[in-house]
Amino acid sequence: GAGVSQSPSNKVTEKGKDVELRCDPISGHTALYWYRQSLGQGLEFLIYFQGNSAPDKSGLPSDRFSAERTGGSVSTLTIQRTQQEDSAVYLCASSLAGGQYEQYFGPGTRLTVT
Amino acid sequence: GENVEQHPSTLSVQEGDSAVIKCTYSDSASNYFPWYKQELGKGPQLIIDIRSNVGEKKDQRIAVTLNKTAKHFSLHITETQPEDSAVYFCAASGGETDSWGKLQFGAGTQVVVTP
Repeated sequence: GAGVSQSPSNKVTEKGKDVELRCDPISGHTALYWYRQSLGQGLEFLIYFQGNSAPDKSGLPSDRFSAERTGGSVSTLTIQRTQQEDSAVYLCASSLAGGQYEQYFGPGTRLTVT
Repeated sequence: GENVEQHPSTLSVQEGDSAVIKCTYSDSASNYFPWYKQELGKGPQLIIDIRSNVGEKKDQRIAVTLNKTAKHFSLHITETQPEDSAVYFCAASGGETDSWGKLQFGAGTQVVVTP
């Protein structure tokens, strides 16, 4: 079946502009996660959505970052007033439920801020 | 919170040899330890996981061992093949302050299998 999809695959933006990154999770998965992966680094947790519960936003690095999940499915990560240090690959994952279930990752969006 | 350290950062092995990657964790309450493989240009993919009630788990050429006393776990790949070349991440969850299964990832190990 279809896996997690993300769009765009690549995004180049100028410093100071806003960007939106989209994630389509696997159908039926109630949990959704966003991670950031800087060049050669590990995965940095950003935000977690589970069903209708309040999201865990504890990993968002600043108030320029926000995320929504509409209708329990598609999610959008928004970065306002982008900075060069925001350049990274942004990965989305989904799992059947919250908790210690396998996370299925999308291919990521590579964001470059010039 | 939980802290996971992973070694080595790079590992080069000859095809057919074994590869071992080690991770340590800080929170003794952690109880779930997955390993993810990330190929170039793709998202990570779960290859094996272990829970704290077992000490070892195998799946064909890969195995994971867990030492709860020492708070470390390892990934073993036997008879390595070129397609094993990738970045491998260990992770841990279930610690004292973990309310939902949040994964703390290690920094990753770049494995290169040379023919």
